[in-house]
Amino acid sequence: EAQVTQNPRYLITVTGKKLTVTCSQNMNHEYMSWYRQDPGLGLRQIYYSMNVEVTDKGDVPEGYKVSRKEKRNFPLILESPSPNQTSLYFCASSSLQAGPNTGELFFGEGSRLTVL
Amino acid sequence: KQEVTQIPAALSVPEGENLVLNCSFTDSAIYNLQWFRQDPGKGLTSLLLIQSSQREQTSGRLNASLDKSSGRSTLYIAASQPGDSATYLCAVRISGGYNKLIFGAGTRLAVHP
Repeated sequence: EAQVTQNPRYLITVTGKKLTVTCSQNMNHEYMSWYRQDPGLGLRQIYYSMNVEVTDKGDVPEGYKVSRKEKRNFPLILESPSPNQTSLYFCASSSLQAGPNTGELFFGEGSRLTVL
Repeated sequence: KQEVTQIPAALSVPEGENLVLNCSFTDSAIYNLQWFRQDPGKGLTSLLLIQSSQREQTSGRLNASLDKSSGRSTLYIAASQPGDSATYLCAVRISGGYNKLIFGAGTRLAVHP
């Protein structure tokens, strides 16, 4: 089954304790992206990657890091989490290959993070 | 700057009604437009993708249209069911910046028996 898998789905942590949210897709997609969703602010892009070793900042990159060492994985790293990073996080991927479904974005189930 | 607006913000209808959700965008230079469904606390499920060269897409009871010149898309849901209750979001991918997907705030739909 084609899917985007995120882990953990739920996490409560404390300020300053480094954490990583993993994201993996099994569709051989070139493009991957991280979003956060907050009430009243909608979905905002954190980082994106066009392919292996190619990453760039989205609209709200402060406090986050990413890496893309393999095509299927795109982890989101919070080096020193703060309470304002409490949010619902989504990973998404899409194909860049020419075709009728080019650019169709597929989302993971989300990771709800609480930073105390 | 591209802005995406969805009207209405919330909608409550009785089961069986046909309904239309609206999405408008300010810049017609888009790569594609995608409709999603989101259940509370869950991820976004892709419903329909319309490439910029297309006018509409259909999937089951759903039909989405795209009018780039007027900056509008509509999502038509036929014979609504309680299971259709969710938030529906549209998103446009702007041309010239492949990474950039602009989301609307969504329409929260409630279908009651």
